[in-house]
Amino acid sequence: DSGVTQTPKHLITATGQRVTLRCSPRSGDLSVYWYQQSLDQGLQFLIQYYNGEERAKGNILERFSAQQFPDLHSELNLSSLELGDSALYFCASSDGRSGANVLTFGAGSRLTVL
Amino acid sequence: DAKTTQPNSMESNEEEPVHLPCNHSTISGTDYIHWYRQLPSQGPEYVIHGLTSNVNNRMASLAIAEDRKSSTLILHRATLRDAAVYYCILRDANNAGNMLTFGGGTRLMVKP
Repeated sequence: DSGVTQTPKHLITATGQRVTLRCSPRSGDLSVYWYQQSLDQGLQFLIQYYNGEERAKGNILERFSAQQFPDLHSELNLSSLELGDSALYFCASSDGRSGANVLTFGAGSRLTVL
Repeated sequence: DAKTTQPNSMESNEEEPVHLPCNHSTISGTDYIHWYRQLPSQGPEYVIHGLTSNVNNRMASLAIAEDRKSSTLILHRATLRDAAVYYCILRDANNAGNMLTFGGGTRLMVKP
């Protein structure tokens, strides 16, 4: 157990639907990062939050949004789902302060869009 | 973050040492060298990091060239459980808190 909790582990839904993925960071970590990993792609950075504020944005689609709440957990919302959104979605956390800034990843949420 | 170059894949025999190379010729003085690995169907996992000196931990050793333009991750005795994709990533200490940019990594296959 890495200390980063992601729910749900698996999710199957239909095109056009909306889903929410949840992430609880490791205790004490202020930064949360979201990554997408499709079958034929590497790990793609989506978005980062630090202590509730958006810090960096990667290749995140307009149909996707995220937020980090006061208790530091984060949610990734995926809407108008398409077949190509099927992927593993990983959340990671870090303290966001140290020079090395090691990231701890969760086990991922596997999304299947049919 | 500066770019790294790694072989696409490597093969090793179980219980033998494995040396995974990484080239980073454009590394800057404030870049940390990080290694992560991703086992099948799991999230990436931190392995080790260093700045200038060689580093050892319970998982692996990191050997950094004197000019810092390359580094080698050393697994002292590969086990089947070490079969994974290994990522070498540079992190700028001046941008602490920035995300990791993953490249293709090296897929390590371990033969029994």
